[in-house]
Amino acid sequence: GAVVSQHPSWVICKSGTSVKIECRSLDFQATTMFWYRQFPKQSLMLMATSNEGSKATYEQGVEKDKFLINHASLTLSTLTVTSAHPEDSSFYICSALGPGGVIAFFGQGTRLTVV
Amino acid sequence: AQTVTQSQPEMSVQEAETVTLSCTYDTSESDYYLFWYKQPPSRQMILVIRQEAYKQQNATENRFSVNFQKAAKSFSLKISDSQLGDAAMYFCAYRSARGTYKYIFGTGTRLKVLA
Repeated sequence: GAVVSQHPSWVICKSGTSVKIECRSLDFQATTMFWYRQFPKQSLMLMATSNEGSKATYEQGVEKDKFLINHASLTLSTLTVTSAHPEDSSFYICSALGPGGVIAFFGQGTRLTVV
Repeated sequence: AQTVTQSQPEMSVQEAETVTLSCTYDTSESDYYLFWYKQPPSRQMILVIRQEAYKQQNATENRFSVNFQKAAKSFSLKISDSQLGDAAMYFCAYRSARGTYKYIFGTGTRLKVLA
């Protein structure tokens, strides 16, 4: 099956700094990728949809200036959490629509801790 | 707007037995996809099974099968011959066949497999 790799798996950063999370489709081209946030024991909350070469579409309530998404190539999307604060600590997951554009394949997720 | 409901926060099954996880959804669309994803303790989301709404035949994948009732907007997952490795969170998801291709997830069901 199609493989999506997310990096890093976990990161600790200081409050006020920025952190970048990468999402790569390893063996297919992904024109559409999604970024989710998952709180403990809860479902996935869609943050934004990114399409290669265009601006990301953010869900209501998600601060686009805080969560910067770049989908510069068909195999890479990045999420940058700017000026991170402890309340941004969470598990972030990316997914990419696979070949055929129906099934979403997920990365391993990134646990972000802001101290 | 579409919604997905999983009314069972937690289920238990004895090893080798069969368990059914429930999912209902609400939509006004006629063309869509439904999925079951598994999230084990590693938190990597894994596709279990998918169903196209236009197909009357229920999807099956080895020990996993669905009962798709389009009129009732019901999409349950049956796991036969349960194994310890089946223990995970299971999420039901809906995706329109048109538009933004966003996935809408239910709140999840935690499945425990008892040895």
